[in-house]
Amino acid sequence: DAGVTQTPRHEVAEKGQTIILKCEPVSGHNDLFWYRQTKIQGLELLSYFRSKSLMEDGGAFKDRFKAEMLNSSFSTLKIQPTEPKDSAVYLCASSLGGGRGEQYFGPGTRLTVL
Amino acid sequence: QQQVRQSPQSLTVWEGGTTVLTCSYEDSTFNYFPWYQQFPGEGPALLISILSVSDKKEDGRFTTFFNKREKKLSLHIIDSQPGDSATYFCAAQNYNQGKLIFGQGTKLSIKP
Repeated sequence: DAGVTQTPRHEVAEKGQTIILKCEPVSGHNDLFWYRQTKIQGLELLSYFRSKSLMEDGGAFKDRFKAEMLNSSFSTLKIQPTEPKDSAVYLCASSLGGGRGEQYFGPGTRLTVL
Repeated sequence: QQQVRQSPQSLTVWEGGTTVLTCSYEDSTFNYFPWYQQFPGEGPALLISILSVSDKKEDGRFTTFFNKREKKLSLHIIDSQPGDSATYFCAAQNYNQGKLIFGQGTKLSIKP
């Protein structure tokens, strides 16, 4: 079984640009999560989907961050417009759901905003 | 409050020694506690987990302990190896909810 796939692995953007990060969860998983990881803040939850329904949108990240599940096997995270403080690693994870806690993480996308 | 506190932030241990990482939480509805291991350039991966009905779980050199009364958990690594050098995250979950609450992480370095 393939793990969680994330593309691109690296992204460099100019301030004010729109970027779209992509994620393919493990086949058959019902829950999908987007996280932002920085050294200072650690792992921050951006969005959480269960069976393609948005369960949590990460509060503080609402205004410029939008995650979507186009189908059960593909999700995107759009950041619009980007700011230098958005420079971080963005991780996608999936799990079976229904209370099963184990999350499988992708390798992440390292975003640098100039 | 849904927060998980983890310590220390970083730790250096000699090869062959025992590593101890600790976490504490406040939300008494948490009942599932996984530990994740992350190597540079990779996403975190599940290392070991424990349910609140247990007080100890062992997997090879890794053991996690859970103290419900004190709302604390710990990860012990015996015979620590340079290959164990990584960042470790504790996490907590109410089993009826999907999301995990992560600690800040501990960067572990094992020196040969």
